[in-house]
Amino acid sequence: DTGVSQNPRHKITKRGQNVTFRCDPISEHNRLYWYRQTLGQGPEFLTYFQNEAQLEKSRLLSDRFSAERPKGSFSTLEIQRTEQGDSAMYLCASSFWEGNEQFFGPGTRLTVL
Amino acid sequence: GENVEQHPSTLSVQEGDSAVIKCTYSDSASNYFPWYKQELGKGPQLIIDIRSNVGEKKDQRIAVTLNKTAKHFSLHITETQPEDSAVYFCAASSDPLTTGNTPLVFGKGTRLSVIA
Repeated sequence: DTGVSQNPRHKITKRGQNVTFRCDPISEHNRLYWYRQTLGQGPEFLTYFQNEAQLEKSRLLSDRFSAERPKGSFSTLEIQRTEQGDSAMYLCASSFWEGNEQFFGPGTRLTVL
Repeated sequence: GENVEQHPSTLSVQEGDSAVIKCTYSDSASNYFPWYKQELGKGPQLIIDIRSNVGEKKDQRIAVTLNKTAKHFSLHITETQPEDSAVYFCAASSDPLTTGNTPLVFGKGTRLSVIA
């Protein structure tokens, strides 16, 4: 399967712990996006990369959140000192720079107890 | 920034009937409008999209229409089937020539139930 993959699919953690998620985009896609989705809402943009450069960060992305895409392939999203309000589905999507179509992965569901 | 409104939030139809979901957007610079289908526990799946240089696009039982003047676009599903039951999201983005497409701004979704 050459789609977008995300790991882990589910993560349960205690408040105050750090968590890290991984996204592997469709190969050759040079754009990679992170979105967050809470229950009953549409995905909300967090940040995106073109190759290894982080081009934009949403104001939703507090200083406890950091994302990297060190070699322009996979990306990681880390949340430090998790809070209950961080509980959500974290979605990754990828696309070509030249095209609009974004393809989403299955998401990582985070539950903060 | 862009704001996308989506209606209705829930929609129930009988199998075989048509379903229509409507969205409005605020930013006149937006020129790309995709629709996604999301099933329980899965990521959104792109089902159809339209760019601002066309007014309508069809793909089998699915069609999307766009009215740039009124800033609204709609998803039409004909001959609905139980497997069409899911949450549908509209979205908008722009595609400035110098920087490539911007991140998507999504509506809040429509939960479609197709009753057999």
